[in-house]
Amino acid sequence: GQQVMQIPQYQHVQEGEDFTTYCNSSTTLSNIQWYKQRPGGHPVFLIQLVKSGEVKKQKRLTFQFGEAKKNSSLHITATQTTDVGTYFCAGGSYGGATNKLIFGTGTLLAVQP
Amino acid sequence: KAGVTQTPRYLIKTRGQQVTLSCSPISGHRSVSWYQQTPGQGLQFLFEYFSETQRNKGNFPGRFSGRQFSNSRSEMNVSTLELGDSALYLCASSSATGDSLSSYNEQFFGPGTRLTVL
Repeated sequence: GQQVMQIPQYQHVQEGEDFTTYCNSSTTLSNIQWYKQRPGGHPVFLIQLVKSGEVKKQKRLTFQFGEAKKNSSLHITATQTTDVGTYFCAGGSYGGATNKLIFGTGTLLAVQP
Repeated sequence: KAGVTQTPRYLIKTRGQQVTLSCSPISGHRSVSWYQQTPGQGLQFLFEYFSETQRNKGNFPGRFSGRQFSNSRSEMNVSTLELGDSALYLCASSSATGDSLSSYNEQFFGPGTRLTVL
């Protein structure tokens, strides 16, 4: 079945350092969403990318969707302690009249002040 | 608007028992999806309901079932519980319509039900 993998599984950075998580799908995606889950919380939507090669920015966060629509990345510039949490990508799978989101394995970000 | 609510928040059951979890979506949302979250497997999609019909399903055994009511509230049932069913069960609602592809809609997650099977 379709799989969405994320690397790294865990990243520990010093506050102020940059951070990147990569998302790779075994199949072409219709779209990709990114979510953040704080420790003890639930996933919260960050952004959606739909077009091949699309790049979107939200303050210090930059999201990219690959040209082949099989991979994506999230880059955080100058991390802050508020960035702590697990970042999930979620890819839309093609097939039929409706499709579903397949969540990646997640990257846990720890930020040391 | 009130967010997605889930009850109960915590549940302890023993092997072989069954359990029913409840989810109330954001007002106006007709799509409700269920996910199982475990440390080892991450977020696994269980199923999606739209207008009382299951329209997407993940790869879980038949012990996992669900339903949706006319007010869009949804329940998930797990029968013959196993130790491996211990997890955080998350419900998410979205503003998906009958014509839209499910994956294009932002998922609004509830706080989850933490199920422990002993």
